[in-house]
Amino acid sequence: NAGVTQTPKFRVLKTGQSMTLLCAQDMNHEYMYWYRQDPGMGLRLIHYSVGEGTTAKGEVPDGYNVSRLKKQNFLLGLESAAPSQTSVYFCASSYRNQPQHFGDGTRLSIL
Amino acid sequence: KNQVEQSPQSLIILEGKNCTLQCNYTVSPFSNLRWYKQDTGRGPVSLTIMTFSENTKSNGRYTATLDADTKQSSLHITASQLSDSASYICVVSPNAGKSTFGDGTTLTVKP
Repeated sequence: NAGVTQTPKFRVLKTGQSMTLLCAQDMNHEYMYWYRQDPGMGLRLIHYSVGEGTTAKGEVPDGYNVSRLKKQNFLLGLESAAPSQTSVYFCASSYRNQPQHFGDGTRLSIL
Repeated sequence: KNQVEQSPQSLIILEGKNCTLQCNYTVSPFSNLRWYKQDTGRGPVSLTIMTFSENTKSNGRYTATLDADTKQSSLHITASQLSDSASYICVVSPNAGKSTFGDGTTLTVKP
């Protein structure tokens, strides 16, 4: 009964380093999403996917890349981390037009 | 540009009292409106989902209403409990395209 699982839960990076955030869902959802949430602000969509092998840009895609090689996994990559990317990152999945199921977030700090 | 505005930004109430949170939106044409609850340090969890034709939807002590003519929704919480302390997020989905998230209302319930 895992739902949406995000790894890692916490990470500290230095400016310029790269990393990949992993999201896994076990509900056979077609749609998956990556959001960032900054203090006092709402969730902002980074990238999303409507099926295996497809990805699309959201509201704030710059500095991020994604891949959806398997239906159950959605990866978010930071090629060269910047302090402005310090945030909490949430992954979500859903059936089309149905409520999204969210993971508990990855807290990322970039020094 | 599609917008979702929530009010108030924050609210403090005493345990056992009722409260109402507001959501105004400009998304059109409209597919559905969702309310989520986000506990501190956790991902959002869906409370209610309403389509264009629905006026009200309940989930325990939570009741959401929708007026599609005025493009307003409200979330009413009855007999508040300490566990209701959280951020409440309104999300509006158009018929086509991506959902728009509000910035949320932070509710604090005090004993």
